[in-house]
Amino acid sequence: EVQLLESGGGLIQPGGSLRLSCAASGFGFSAYAMSWVRQAPGEGLEWVSVISNNGVRTYDADSVKGRFTISRDNSKNTLYLQMNSLRAEDTAVYYCVKHLGAVASPGDYWGRGTLVTVSS
Amino acid sequence: EIVMTQSPATLSVSPGEGATLSCRASQSVSSNLAWYQQKPGQAPRLLIYAASTRATGIPARFSGSGSGTEFSLTISSLQSEDSAIYYCQQYNNWPSMYTFGQGTKLEIK
Repeated sequence: EVQLLESGGGLIQPGGSLRLSCAASGFGFSAYAMSWVRQAPGEGLEWVSVISNNGVRTYDADSVKGRFTISRDNSKNTLYLQMNSLRAEDTAVYYCVKHLGAVASPGDYWGRGTLVTVSS
Repeated sequence: EIVMTQSPATLSVSPGEGATLSCRASQSVSSNLAWYQQKPGQAPRLLIYAASTRATGIPARFSGSGSGTEFSLTISSLQSEDSAIYYCQQYNNWPSMYTFGQGTKLEIK
């Protein structure tokens, strides 16, 4: 059974940093692209960052470019999102998403999400 | 950036009836279109990918169609458990961005 377990969310002040983690199990982690997708309270879905299966290629939404960094450790089956210079508009539930295949594919499994609240 | 527009914003249908949800792309995304279902307090679930392929475990009541810029999700024999927000997503215009529609809220009255 595919499982994606996010952690690392919480309350952080504007300008601060957080590192989200996603522990993956139940599938060959190193074979699939992975993404982070977020959802602000009461709002729709926004894709944040994607990383190729081997970690060589990463791409970010314009809204987080230069502030967020996606990475992965295939030896630990773990996906990360380093979030710096956080803003109030980054407040959202952050979902870890497994892609169906390579980066140009949809997300077929989603974690339950971790809430990040940016507020003073 | 490709903009995805869903209609209607809200749809209210009786149990047993069918419903068709629409999604329009601002430019062609070929067949690189997915549909997701999200129930309150839950993560989204992939229903359809490649415009018309059902994901693993999705019942045949859910079907997708379209290509280019016009897509639809049809749900037949609606059940109370189908109440949710449905999102379309294009994954054609990468690596710049994968974009979601704003969602259609389906209510089973």
